[in-house]
Amino acid sequence: DTEVTQTPKHLVMGMTNKKSLKCEQHMGHRAMYWYKQKAKKPPELMFVYSYEKLSINESVPSRFSPECPNSSLLNLHLHALQPEDSALYLCASSQPSGSGANVLTFGAGSRLTVL
Amino acid sequence: RKEVEQDPGPFNVPEGATVAFNCTYSNSASQSFFWYRQDCRKEPKLLMSVYSSGNEDGRFTAQLNRASQYISLLIRDSKLSDSATYLCVVEFGGSQGNLIFGKGTKLSVKP
Repeated sequence: DTEVTQTPKHLVMGMTNKKSLKCEQHMGHRAMYWYKQKAKKPPELMFVYSYEKLSINESVPSRFSPECPNSSLLNLHLHALQPEDSALYLCASSQPSGSGANVLTFGAGSRLTVL
Repeated sequence: RKEVEQDPGPFNVPEGATVAFNCTYSNSASQSFFWYRQDCRKEPKLLMSVYSSGNEDGRFTAQLNRASQYISLLIRDSKLSDSATYLCVVEFGGSQGNLIFGKGTKLSVKP
């Protein structure tokens, strides 16, 4: 079992819906990430939170809104998505290291389909 | 510019073969390097970190060449269970956690 838990595992939504993806870890990690992965492509970095502050936003459209309520939780709020946003959304966490050796632990992902 | 380039693959090899994957990265200031493995419809999992002096873990050997901005992964005595996609990951500078994945190389080990 993965130590990073993502819910829901599957989500189908219409373009006008508002939904959220949730991610939780209890490893004491202080960095959390959202990646997007399309079929046969690598994970693409979307957002990074470090010590509960947004440190990286890779020019993600505003229809994706991240939130980090506390050090264990990471949400991704979805609104007015497009069919091309259908993908596997992966959450990851790491313990920020002074040496920069951030080893990511991934959740199993939330598979999103936008109709 | 943040680019991580990998051999396109796929690599189809017989059991017992030795196979090598290469990866180049665009930013000479990058400090951390990793190889991840991803099985079909599963999340990526860390295979090994890559250290400056090179490192080995059983049948797996990783090398780093900073001058050429190049990372490699060598798998000896391939097993059927090694079949997966191997992803090169580079931590770029600027902000901590700026971890960028290469496109991945698919390995298929046949009996």
